[in-house]
Amino acid sequence: QSALTQPASVSGSPGQSITISCTGTSSDVGGYNYVSWYQQHPGKAPKLMIYEVSNRPSGVSTRFSGSKSGNTASLTISGLQAEDEADYYCSSYTYGSVLFGGGTKVTVL
Amino acid sequence: QVQLQESGPGLVKPSQTLSLTCTVSGGSIRSHSYYWSWIRQHPGKGLEWIGYVYHSGSTYYNPSLKSRVDILVDTSKNQFSLKLNSVTAADTAVYYCARFWVGITGTKTYFYGMDVWGQGTTVTVSS
Repeated sequence: QSALTQPASVSGSPGQSITISCTGTSSDVGGYNYVSWYQQHPGKAPKLMIYEVSNRPSGVSTRFSGSKSGNTASLTISGLQAEDEADYYCSSYTYGSVLFGGGTKVTVL
Repeated sequence: QVQLQESGPGLVKPSQTLSLTCTVSGGSIRSHSYYWSWIRQHPGKGLEWIGYVYHSGSTYYNPSLKSRVDILVDTSKNQFSLKLNSVTAADTAVYYCARFWVGITGTKTYFYGMDVWGQGTTVTVSS
């Protein structure tokens, strides 16, 4: 099993929108609608931001949205804010196992 | 609300067994809606799923670690634990326990995501 592929870094100015991609295979991202996204600030535990490709847990800002096309899932952050600066990880269920992406560092310019 | 807390030695010698416990408070580990997971993060690196356990004792492990890992559940103590055998310096990491939210209807399981995490505990493997 290989980790899912994410860009190492993405940046944007306050108020802008950014998108983080997460590429897997037909055995994981493409084969199941069980893609989730996590936000991790330095020294903190990850926080679930998106589950089942596009659903937001209670309390997560509507500025965060998810989608999927084929073997690639995406996380979009709209109206970028300073507090969004963090590492973001995608994850996919694949029969009996869980895969994570390598992580994307989001920088707010 | 539900909280998870990892506990265990912060220093383990090479070739020995790493043992960690996660205590669940504010909710029951017997809930049918959750698996109970271990994830680790090597210094400066990304997340790596280790495995998860259901309250019944059923387990699923990362294939790359399967030969060295045991995850056990103790419903009487509302705890689950991780044992990683034959550790090396490559096992030095922050270890997190997390609640893996699932939905089960009939024979189908929906895997939503890890919605509650412990704060993490640093384990160093060194002589």
